[in-house]
This record gives sequence, C-alpha cells and structure tokens, in this order.
Amino acid sequence: DAKTTQPPSMDCAEGRAANLPCNHSTISGNEYVYWYRQIHSQGPQYIIHGLKNNETNEMASLIITEDRKSSTLILPHATLRDTAVYYCIVNLGGGFKTIFGAGTRLFVKA
Amino acid sequence: DAGVIQSPRHEVTEMGQEVTLRCKPISGHNSLFWYRQTMMRGLELLIYFNNNVPIDDSGMPEDRFSAKMPNASFSTLKIQPSEPRDSAVYFCASSLMDRRALGYGYTFGSGTRLTVV
Repeated sequence: DAKTTQPPSMDCAEGRAANLPCNHSTISGNEYVYWYRQIHSQGPQYIIHGLKNNETNEMASLIITEDRKSSTLILPHATLRDTAVYYCIVNLGGGFKTIFGAGTRLFVKA
Repeated sequence: DAGVIQSPRHEVTEMGQEVTLRCKPISGHNSLFWYRQTMMRGLELLIYFNNNVPIDDSGMPEDRFSAKMPNASFSTLKIQPSEPRDSAVYFCASSLMDRRALGYGYTFGSGTRLTVV
C-alpha cells in the first residue's frame, strides 16, 4: 500500500501558484519524499525530491515540514500544461521499491 | 540521452497469443522496474531488478507473466498466454541505486499499450 495520502483532485487558476499537499506520517528517517506527475497517456515524470530540507528546481518547490510528516509541492505559476495527476511517494531512493497511490488530479483552468 | 526506450508502442493481439514487451534503460542506470497501469487499478509495480537480478516479483499477477534482464541494457516482459484482462499500458522505468543513498528518481519510458482481444 502507498504510504502517502493526497486529495483526489484540486483546481488552480492559470498563472496562480498550485499548492499540492501530501501526508506521510509514517515516513522513516532515511526515506525521501518524491513527487512525480503524469500527463494523460504519458509515462510519469520525475519532478523533485527531498529528505529534510526544502528544495527548489526549475519545475517546482518542495516544502517539507520539520517533523517530515507532510509536504507541499508548489508550482509557482501554473499553466494549462500542468494539468496532470501528481503523485507523492516516499521511499529509500533510486533502486528501491516504489508504490504509487492514486495521486492528486490537478486541473489548471484558464 | 534518449531516455528509457520501450517497444512496441502499441500491441494488439488475440487471446492466447504470446506477447513480449521490451525495454532499454538509461545507460548507467542499474535498477529497472516494470509497471502496469489500468483505470481500475492505477499504477501497479510488477517486478524490479537491481544489477540485472530480480529483487521483488511479488507484483507479477500470475505465472503467465515472466520478466528477464539478460544484461544491463535490455529487459523483457512476457505474457504467455495473453488474456483480455491483461489489456493495459505497461511502463518500464530505470534508476540508479546508489549506496550513498543520495536518492535518485525514476525515469519512465513512454509505455506500451497492450490490447488483447
């Protein structure tokens, strides 16, 4: 079973920030938080990951709470092309078993 | 890098036939994963390999399914005999397993859409 909880769907206005929450209350000390997204009919795409600190790359920012029991993926200026299913996952890193849950379906509206 | 390459992109076959799906991981990656996706069940992990060795095949649904990784640059997923309920999109992904646990993400292929009629 997936070890994360995400809302099934969210809406966001184009140009606004999209904040996608994830709960992972049973995360262990050496597990990473990963985010992937899947645009219709394509393979999932890696977005970002973090262990303890907040992370930012060209796609998104990842905010992890101090107790590491939850995190938020932030798309700073959502576009229509960001409409996708977003998956939050915890695991030990590359090469380890990754179970995908149902994710959050983000709808970006004009 | 061309990314993870899967073939064929689409496969339509008759029930009872053998189906072989192929995957070429990213060069240098030492972990490979096979997933199946359907509307009803979402993304399911079927099997994964580290350094060409199968680590966990608990997700393989039945003995009709088998997977091999003869070398670091090639893997196959075979279904024999195929059934209509095997219709799904099959994804292959690769990653780097690093003992320093730096946390590498997966790179997925574009998938093979299998239809069994």
